Amino acid sequence: KQEVTQIPAALSVPEGENLVLNCSFTDSAIYNLQWFRQDPGKGLTSLLLIQSSQREQTSGRLNASLDKSSGRSTLYIAASQPGDSATYLCAIERTGRRALTFGSGTRLQVQP
Amino acid sequence: AAGVIQSPRHLIKEKRETATLKCYPIPRHDTVYWYQQGPGQDPQFLISFYEKMQSDKGSIPDRFSAQQFSDYHSELNMSSLELGDSALYFCASSSYRGGEKLFFGSGTQLSVL
Repeated sequence: KQEVTQIPAALSVPEGENLVLNCSFTDSAIYNLQWFRQDPGKGLTSLLLIQSSQREQTSGRLNASLDKSSGRSTLYIAASQPGDSATYLCAIERTGRRALTFGSGTRLQVQP
Repeated sequence: AAGVIQSPRHLIKEKRETATLKCYPIPRHDTVYWYQQGPGQDPQFLISFYEKMQSDKGSIPDRFSAQQFSDYHSELNMSSLELGDSALYFCASSSYRGGEKLFFGSGTQLSVL
């Protein structure tokens, strides 16, 4: 059974800092990995999707990496802004399954 | 651009009642997913449909059923509601041709009293 763990559970940083969110998973038979953002009481917004054959994806100030062999992914946020404050979740789609397994998220607070 | 549309946004039901949640995926998306997110929890996968056929099943109780119709909209039917069913229910859609990113709706907040 795929287990997805995110560290830290919560993070508070001053505006302008670069930061790294971590995601680890137990089953390397993944099809893809996605990073999502969720604002309180709202839906999830897909930020980046990395296929199992890829090593990283970039979108603006966001960069996500994937290391299947070690079961890890990182989300790097450059020059953080108060508007980045949200919960960030990583999710794994396992090969052969049309379903995502989510981590419990990292709650990020960027202080102005 | 069109997004995933869910209705209703909020629903209040009594124990043992029935609820129906609706989802309209992004046009030309071939896969629909249902997720349940309890307070302070991560989303839990319930069920998915690919081209109107059930493609995968997660932790969906037997009291729940879902289907996808010919126009690709999907409905989640929940019977004999329990207090523990109170949660945010998300629908998401994706497309193999579109790179398979999941696009989520805003969710239906179900409260069972």
